Amino acid sequence: KAGVTQTPRYLIKTRGQQVTLSCSPISGHRSVSWYQQTPGQGLQFLFEYFSETQRNKGNFPGRFSGRQFSNSRSEMNVSTLELGDSALYLCASSLKSGEVGTDTQYFGPGTRLTVL
Amino acid sequence: AQSVAQPEDQVNVAEGNPLTVKCTYSVSGNPYLFWYVQYPNRGLQFLLKYITGDNLVKGSYGFEAEFNKSQTSFHLKKPSALVSDSALYFCAVRDITGGFKTIFGAGTRLFVKA
Repeated sequence: KAGVTQTPRYLIKTRGQQVTLSCSPISGHRSVSWYQQTPGQGLQFLFEYFSETQRNKGNFPGRFSGRQFSNSRSEMNVSTLELGDSALYLCASSLKSGEVGTDTQYFGPGTRLTVL
Repeated sequence: AQSVAQPEDQVNVAEGNPLTVKCTYSVSGNPYLFWYVQYPNRGLQFLLKYITGDNLVKGSYGFEAEFNKSQTSFHLKKPSALVSDSALYFCAVRDITGGFKTIFGAGTRLFVKA
């Protein structure tokens, strides 16, 4: 079974631009969560989507948004990019919603975003 | 609030020796605990999890973790370290009372010397 895939793997943008990242979960998985990883802040939760609905959101500004499609693929959008948005963005998929608590999350390789 | 602490930024161990990567947690209910490993330029790989039952959990690549409720710890262990185990290790707790998100520790970098 194919793992979680993320596209693109690397991205360079300039301040003020917007970016869209894509995540395809493992087949059959209905939950997709997004995380931001930086050397200073570590891994921080952005949001989770389950069955096309946002189930939970972390403490990020409204510039960060996402959506999930009927095939469970998810996109994350960041508008008006800032230098501090440079990070590795990871998505993780699981069978059940995070509300279950016990389900294992499987991570993709990430998208490395650099904002100049 | 639920939290996870990994008290060591780095752990150094010689190949063939046992290794321990420490993790302590703070939760308000039953803890759901996870260990992940990250290799350079890669995403996180699941190693093992504790949900309930036996305090000793066995996972991938020969790793195991011991859940200790009284000490609120979930240390990762391996009897004999390999150079290829060198990576960044994350302990995580599933927050099921504050919005069902996963909270990660800061990570511990493991160096295994040949």
